[in-house]
Amino acid sequence: NAGVTQTPKFRVLKTGQSMTLLCAQDMNHEYMYWYRQDPGMGLRLIHYSVGEGTTAKGEVPDGYNVSRLKKQNFLLGLESAAPSQTSVYFCASNLAFYNEQFFGPGTRLTVL
Amino acid sequence: EDQVTQSPEALRLQEGESSSLNCSYTVSGLRGLFWYRQDPGKGPEFLFTLYSAGEEKEKERLKATLTKKESFLHITAPKPEDSATYLCAVQANTGANSKLTFGKGITLSVRP
Repeated sequence: NAGVTQTPKFRVLKTGQSMTLLCAQDMNHEYMYWYRQDPGMGLRLIHYSVGEGTTAKGEVPDGYNVSRLKKQNFLLGLESAAPSQTSVYFCASNLAFYNEQFFGPGTRLTVL
Repeated sequence: EDQVTQSPEALRLQEGESSSLNCSYTVSGLRGLFWYRQDPGKGPEFLFTLYSAGEEKEKERLKATLTKKESFLHITAPKPEDSATYLCAVQANTGANSKLTFGKGITLSVRP
């Protein structure tokens, strides 16, 4: 099992550009999450999904959109990137909301 | 609002020098407290879940304990490979889909 995978690993964008981050899990987990991690701050939840076809806002959703068309995939989109979105993004999943979350390796995004 | 405070921010130990990492929390009813380990450039890796005061869990040189206000991660005779950032997170008992609130982490360095 690959667990949780994320693509790409690194990306540099210019302000105003758009991109999509892909998260895939092969553990048949219902719940999936997108976090961002910034220096000096804890992991912050951007959006999450409780099942295929569902999405919900987390703590810091502004400037991001998500989609979960397939159970195993969770996409995070930035429509118009801003320097404030420079961060490391982590995807996570779990079987049920009260279980431990399994994290992907992260995507380091720089917005110039 | 749920809050997690981890201390100290950074800890340097000599190999074999035991110590403890602290996670203080406030939450409106605790469902679970989670400990994760994060290596540089990687995603968090699950270590333990604690559910009620008095509970303890062990894994190799690590032992996690829980009271009603804080959790400790005790490291006995650490080795250089224990060097990492340790994250604490709480989940409130507020019903379905309650999210994790993470602390900022404690960076542990173990010198040989």
